[in-house]
Amino acid sequence: QVQLQESGPGLVKPSQTLSLTCTVSGGSISSGSYYWSWIRQPAGKGLEWIGRIYTSGSTNYNPSLKSRVTISVDTSKNQFSLKLSSVTAADTAVYYCAREFTGYSSSWYTQYDYWGQGTLVTVSS
Amino acid sequence: DIQMTQSPSSVSASVGDRVTITCRASQGISSWLAWYQQKPGKAPKLLIYAASSLQSGVPSRFSGSGSGTDFTLTISSLQPEDFATYYCQQANSFPITFGPGTKVDIK
Repeated sequence: QVQLQESGPGLVKPSQTLSLTCTVSGGSISSGSYYWSWIRQPAGKGLEWIGRIYTSGSTNYNPSLKSRVTISVDTSKNQFSLKLSSVTAADTAVYYCAREFTGYSSSWYTQYDYWGQGTLVTVSS
Repeated sequence: DIQMTQSPSSVSASVGDRVTITCRASQGISSWLAWYQQKPGKAPKLLIYAASSLQSGVPSRFSGSGSGTDFTLTISSLQPEDFATYYCQQANSFPITFGPGTKVDIK
């Protein structure tokens, strides 16, 4: 059973860089055709896709955050990471890591089938 | 960006009721649509993928339909554990986007 676990500081000062790591257990991050993603959710609001990475290092980012986001992967540690620079209060949210799978049944599909429990990051001085 | 809208934003229902939630995409997304259930303080849980395929382990009272721009999630007989917020999500094009959510609460 694949499990994902986010870790990192729960409090970040404005203008600084938010850094989170997602540790994958129960399977190799390099096995299978999966992307590894970050998604966030401000309190009481909806879900926002931040970006994703393949184990080759190929990335896709949300254009709304692209200038501030870096996602990286460390296959030796079975981890992938998120860095978000120049944070403001608007970046306060629960941050989730998730596994993304794209496949074909009677049509193509993409699904987030495994999620971390989420970690609250507050941006405040 | 493809905008996803959901209606209603909230619905009050009783155990045993049939509940239907609608999701609309701002442009055609074929069947690149998934549905998730989220309970307070928990991560979203995948229910439906490819618009109408039931994820393994999800009760058969959940079903999805639609293609193109209009989609529905139906709960055929609402159970106590189904009170939650439901989100649709498109993956036809980047950025991947989610609907604003529909909260199903107890009548």
